[in-house]
Amino acid sequence: AQTVTQSQPEMSVQEAETVTLSCTYDTSESNYYLFWYKQPPSRQMILVIRQEAYKQQNATENRFSVNFQKAAKSFSLKISDSQLGDTAMYFCAFMPNTGNQFYFGTGTSLTVIP
Amino acid sequence: DAGVTQSPTHLIKTRGQQVTLRCSPKSGHDTVSWYQQALGQGPQFIFQYYEEEERQRGNFPDRFSGHQFPNYSSELNVNALLLGDSALYLCASSLVFSNYGYTFGSGTRLTVV
Repeated sequence: AQTVTQSQPEMSVQEAETVTLSCTYDTSESNYYLFWYKQPPSRQMILVIRQEAYKQQNATENRFSVNFQKAAKSFSLKISDSQLGDTAMYFCAFMPNTGNQFYFGTGTSLTVIP
Repeated sequence: DAGVTQSPTHLIKTRGQQVTLRCSPKSGHDTVSWYQQALGQGPQFIFQYYEEEERQRGNFPDRFSGHQFPNYSSELNVNALLLGDSALYLCASSLVFSNYGYTFGSGTRLTVV
């Protein structure tokens, strides 16, 4: 069974500062993908960043980067230069290479304070 | 932008009734997945449809059923509604065999009273 754990239900950060959201997962799969999704009040899940487990290099997308520690089964998201538009729920998700479904964590509510 | 379209956006049903939710996938996508997101929780996988057949199913009772049409659109049906079925139902479309490249809709908020 796959599980995804986000231990920070709520976080806040000052505008322009940096914040890190934590995520751990448990799986016996060797090949898989990891994702961070953003869910604003509009409710649509928006892909922030993804990481292929076979790649050692951490993924980066503009202000968003991850710290992927495969042995520790940890996948944290760092948001640099936080903007007001970053305020949203953030979900960490896992997808095995052999499967077709996401396994989501319970989410972290991020508030960017002006 | 022909993203994923879900209808209706909100609806209220009475316990014991049946409901049908609809999803039109992103243009070019052929696979539709459905997720249930209870309040304060992450989405949970219900099932996925490809070529008009259920390809994979999560841990949901048979009261949850679906259908995919030749134009790739999909319906989610829930029978004998329970109060616990109140949730946001999200549809996601993709190309078959793609482990990413999923596009989500904005969901249908179902309230069972």
